Amino acid sequence: DAGVIQSPRHEVTEMGQEVTLRCKPISGHNSLFWYRQTMMRGLELLIYFNNNVPIDDSGMPEDRFSAKMPNASFSTLKIQPSEPRDSAVYFCASSTQGHTEAFFGQGTRLTVV
Amino acid sequence: AQSVTQLDSQVPVFEEAPVELRCNYSSSVSVYLFWYVQYPNQGLQLLLKYLSGSTLVKGINGFEAEFNKSQTSFHLRKPSVHISDTAEYFCAVSDHRGSTLGRLYFGRGTQLTVWP
Repeated sequence: DAGVIQSPRHEVTEMGQEVTLRCKPISGHNSLFWYRQTMMRGLELLIYFNNNVPIDDSGMPEDRFSAKMPNASFSTLKIQPSEPRDSAVYFCASSTQGHTEAFFGQGTRLTVV
Repeated sequence: AQSVTQLDSQVPVFEEAPVELRCNYSSSVSVYLFWYVQYPNQGLQLLLKYLSGSTLVKGINGFEAEFNKSQTSFHLRKPSVHISDTAEYFCAVSDHRGSTLGRLYFGRGTQLTVWP
């Protein structure tokens, strides 16, 4: 299996632009997690889905952030409009019921200038 | 909600020396415990996990950790480190519902630097 696939690996955008991060979980996994990693705050859970349904989105910082999971093999995290303070590494992870481990993607390094 | 405290943000050691990275958690329910490693510009990779049973857990790359329920700790150890162990190490705790993994709560990380 190719593991959790995230794209792009790097994204540089100007403040105010829309940014979309993509994630393909491991086939057969039914839970998907979006995390953000910064020096100031460490690893924070933004949102997680179970069977394509958002279970906990309490970590989504504000309305500028939205996440979707239209099917079991794809999820997006969108920031609109982006701000410099959104600069971070965003990780996607997946797991499956009965599988007590989350597998992480390589991350997307977002820089908003 | 759970919380995880990694007591040391940086741990420098010389090659072949033993190392312990400390982790304490707060929880009033049964949890799963994890250690992840992150190499530069990489994602997180699972080192080891405690689910139940034996309190001494062995993982990859010669690491092991011991679950101490009374002290709510899950310290990571390696008897002899290599330069290639230089990385950031994250302790995490998960609440769980039966066998379904819940959300992970991470510590702030410990940067392990191994010097020659």
